[in-house]
Amino acid sequence: DSGVTQTPKHLITATGQRVTLRCSPRSGDLSVYWYQQSLDQGLQFLIQYYNGEERAKGNILERFSAQQFPDLHSELNLSSLELGDSALYFCASSSGGRARDTQYFGPGTRLTVL
Amino acid sequence: QQQVKQSPQSLIVQKGGISIINCAYENTAFDYFPWYQQFPGKGPALLIAIRPDVSEKKEGRFTISFNKSAKQFSLHIMDSQPGDSATYFCAASMNYGQNFVFGPGTRLSVLP
Repeated sequence: DSGVTQTPKHLITATGQRVTLRCSPRSGDLSVYWYQQSLDQGLQFLIQYYNGEERAKGNILERFSAQQFPDLHSELNLSSLELGDSALYFCASSSGGRARDTQYFGPGTRLTVL
Repeated sequence: QQQVKQSPQSLIVQKGGISIINCAYENTAFDYFPWYQQFPGKGPALLIAIRPDVSEKKEGRFTISFNKSAKQFSLHIMDSQPGDSATYFCAASMNYGQNFVFGPGTRLSVLP
């Protein structure tokens, strides 16, 4: 158990809908990262927050947004969902904001868009 | 320039053998190269990482070899065990976040 929690574990929704994925980092960790893992695209970095502020941005679509709250939990919002958004979404946390800081991954949220 | 290539796509090794996974990158600004291990149904977990100022790093049975001039790095798993059967991802990043780029993964099966 990494200490990172993600809810929900599974999510099934329809095209065009909006969903929110939630992540609670390990106690004391200030950074939260979001990743998308799909069969055709592999593991892709979406975005990183550090202590409430956006630190780095990867291949995140404009339909997706994220934020980190004062209690350091983070939410990833996916809107106008398409079939291709079906994937595993992982959250990871680390103590610092640098790439060399070990990231601890949560168990993931499996999103299915029908 | 942001791609990380990884090979082989899958690998079958006998117990006790050496597993070797190779990765290559283009962007010379990358300065941090981690390897992740992922078991089915679980999130990736950091296995070992290296910075380009060293050519090799060893942790237990796992060794990263790094060739800066060739822009290649590899993971060696010595004395491979069935419990090592997992998917392995190499990655590259610049130290201050920016963009983590992952290889497509290698599915390793270690036969008993």
